Amino acid sequence: KNQVEQSPQSLIILEGKNCTLQCNYTVSPFSNLRWYKQDTGRGPVSLTIMTFSENTKSNGRYTATLDADTKQSSLHITASQLSDSASYICVVKVVGGGADGLTFGKGTHLIIQP
Amino acid sequence: NAGVTQTPKFQVLKTGQSMTLQCAQDMNHEYMSWYRQDPGMGLRLIHYSVGAGITDQGEVPNGYNVSRSTTEDFPLRLLSAAPSQTSVYFCASRIRNLGTTGELFFGEGSRLTVL
Repeated sequence: KNQVEQSPQSLIILEGKNCTLQCNYTVSPFSNLRWYKQDTGRGPVSLTIMTFSENTKSNGRYTATLDADTKQSSLHITASQLSDSASYICVVKVVGGGADGLTFGKGTHLIIQP
Repeated sequence: NAGVTQTPKFQVLKTGQSMTLQCAQDMNHEYMSWYRQDPGMGLRLIHYSVGAGITDQGEVPNGYNVSRSTTEDFPLRLLSAAPSQTSVYFCASRIRNLGTTGELFFGEGSRLTVL
């Protein structure tokens, strides 16, 4: 069964600090991996999309890495800001696949404290 | 552009009542879908549509109906609400071929409580 596991479940850091969120997946055959940011009470918004051949992708202070061999991805947030407080969801897409072919992780709830 | 618009944002129902969650998109996307988000679980696909007149079931379709009469609209109907349907519902849309770069756009969500 396709699965996406995220860690930690929740994280509290001080403003200005860096942090790294983890995503492990067993989805096969792999097509791409996406990270979404979901603010409280809002819908998810895409941060990055990574394909099999991409190891690193940045979006401002967000940097995602992908190791397709070990089936792991990470999202690194640099110089955190209060607005980074949100849930971060890892989503993996299979090649083809029924319906939308997407498997969603449960998310990491990140709190930035001043 | 408004993107994906969901209404209502909040709704309280009694067990057995019916209601429709509305979803509209103005991006001319062929594909639209409904998800539910529950505490401690990832988003789960309820129903989806690849174009007007075409709908299909996702992972958790029981208790929900959908129709797609236009490209823009994809309403989700609860015919007889149950407490297990208490959840936050998200509508999403994208171009038909998600491929390796296609973007999935979400609405702001509809929070439903069934008493």
